[in-house]
Parts: sequence; C-alpha cells; structure tokens
Amino acid sequence: GAGVSQSPSNKVTEKGKDVELRCDPISGHTALYWYRQSLGQGLEFLIYFQGNSAPDKSGLPSDRFSAERTGGSVSTLTIQRTQQEDSAVYLCASSLVGRSSYNEQFFGPGTRLTVL
Amino acid sequence: AQRVTQPEKLLSVFKGAPVELKCNYSYSGSPELFWYVQYSRQRLQLLLRHISRESIKGFTADLNKGETSFHLKKPFAQEEDSAMYYCALSENYGQNFVFGPGTRLSVLP
Repeated sequence: GAGVSQSPSNKVTEKGKDVELRCDPISGHTALYWYRQSLGQGLEFLIYFQGNSAPDKSGLPSDRFSAERTGGSVSTLTIQRTQQEDSAVYLCASSLVGRSSYNEQFFGPGTRLTVL
Repeated sequence: AQRVTQPEKLLSVFKGAPVELKCNYSYSGSPELFWYVQYSRQRLQLLLRHISRESIKGFTADLNKGETSFHLKKPFAQEEDSAMYYCALSENYGQNFVFGPGTRLSVLP
C-alpha cells in the first residue's frame, strides 16, 4: 500500500541545466496534480492530468516547464534551462477519477529543487 | 488577485483555547472548498472538505456563501494541532486547485 512517491527527494543543479522530476501516483488513481511551493509562499498549482491528458497547461510558469504522463501512471515534470527562481519544493498529488469533492488528493513527499 | 486568502501567517493560542483559522475565497461558480494540513516533517494531507460537513480531529468548517468564507474552528486547541493549515478551492471539478498562502498554527502549552 505505497502512497505517492517522488524522486529525487533533493536535487541541486546549476543554472541553465535541465532537470526531470518524477512522480509515481497511487495505483489506480487517474488524476494527478503538480504543485510548486516556494519559500514563504503557499502552494502554486501547476498542472492537472486526467489519465494521460492535461486539459489546461496555463498554470505552468513558463515555456521552460513541461509535463507528461504515460500509461496513466508515472508523470515527469521537466524544467529546461533552470533559473534560480525555479528553486522550490515540487509536490505531486493523485486522486481517484470523478468529482473533486469526493476524491481526496494524496500528496507525495516532494522534491526539493535548488538551482545554484 | 488571490482567490483564496488566509489573513494570518501565524496564529498562536494556548492549549485549551478556541482557535479559528480564517479563509476567504473569490469564485463566481459553486465553490468546492477544503482544508489541508501539514504537520512537521509529514506530507500535506486533507483535513476536511465542505461537502462532507464532517468534524475531523475536533475541527469543523462551515461554508458561508454570503461572506465567501470557510473558516476552520476548534473549540479547544491541543498541542498536537500545531501545523501549517491551507485552505483550498477547487475549480472545474478538480481540474484546477487554488491554495491559500497558509496559516501556521502554534498551540502553546
């Protein structure tokens, strides 16, 4: 009965490098969410997947950010040409399909990204 | 403009005192509102949702559409309630979630 897992737990990278963050949702959960939590800030919604589809990508901060989900399971958030302002904790959550009010989001432990 | 506001960054109360964490929202449709909690060194987790009208760990929250509020209340705070609390609004049936900035609750002995 594993929960949502994310890897790596910590990532330190140099400005300008690309990074990939991975999320493994709970088995059977068709909805998957990515959030960003910057120091002293609340949670910023990035993107939502229903199955492999993301109906709305407008929450992504810039075109350097992209996300995909394959097989209705694992999702990858990619940040290209990282900038120092990308430093944050990136959280992933998953939930069952259906109306949001009845489907609790289960969060992963997060990936702490530090861009030097 | 923020669609979910939590005016207090930090709220300190003594054990046994009542606590109210404020949340106001801005949304033109029918809102779906939640409270999430993050205890120290633990994952963010759901505390309660307005549609369930439930009481979890002694906490309740009532949706007041007239005042566009969803304040979280507990009559007698416990030290183990110390945590970060986030109010959240769901749009488009879960396709978009908006979280407030959070309130850190500190319950003093």
